[in-house]
Amino acid sequence: DQQVKQNSPSLSVQEGRISILNCDYTNSMFDYFLWYKKYPAEGPTFLISISSIKDKNEDGRFTVFLNKSAKHLSLHIVPSQPGDSAVYFCAASGPDNAGNMLTFGGGTRLMVKP
Amino acid sequence: NAGVTQTPKFQVLKTGQSMTLQCAQDMNHEYMSWYRQDPGMGLRLIHYSVGAGITDQGEVPNGYNVSRSTTEDFPLRLLSAAPSQTSVYFCASGSDFRTGSQHFGDGTRLSIL
Repeated sequence: DQQVKQNSPSLSVQEGRISILNCDYTNSMFDYFLWYKKYPAEGPTFLISISSIKDKNEDGRFTVFLNKSAKHLSLHIVPSQPGDSAVYFCAASGPDNAGNMLTFGGGTRLMVKP
Repeated sequence: NAGVTQTPKFQVLKTGQSMTLQCAQDMNHEYMSWYRQDPGMGLRLIHYSVGAGITDQGEVPNGYNVSRSTTEDFPLRLLSAAPSQTSVYFCASGSDFRTGSQHFGDGTRLSIL
């Protein structure tokens, strides 16, 4: 049973528009959430994170929103650029996770068209 | 400036063979972990270590062994390869995974025939 789910396997947006990637989780003990970006033939790289004590965190073009009551988080990319085309993974961690390790969602492939 | 180095990048094995995937980091990180990535499944934790001499199981540990004799190295051993272990394997290290300080290697693509 996946505790972190990304229900959209892919997303296509036009350059300059907003990209919204969604993630749902089931474990109410999760208290830290992260987004990773992955290009082909490379390892994932950290993008942005949010603690459960916040509902929004912003870093340049990237903003993560957390809705604890809905157990939902989203990543907004504004404006989207062709270089943002990659697979995005959300991940979660909590005090009951093994060694504070991360639980990942299945990923969403974002394609930004020029 | 190597970061996390995984070898080999590609490997093809026959069912029943054993092999070791190597992982080395030069950042003096205490935390290291192994994940496998399968289509639609994201990254699933196989084993992890919170320091030299300390290892523990993750979500999918069966068929794999690890050891951590030094801070730098964290090899993953496949005891008797099975087709279900065909996957891309990622090693990661970090000082605190919860804050995003986890650094990943570029992966090992493993095919079991």
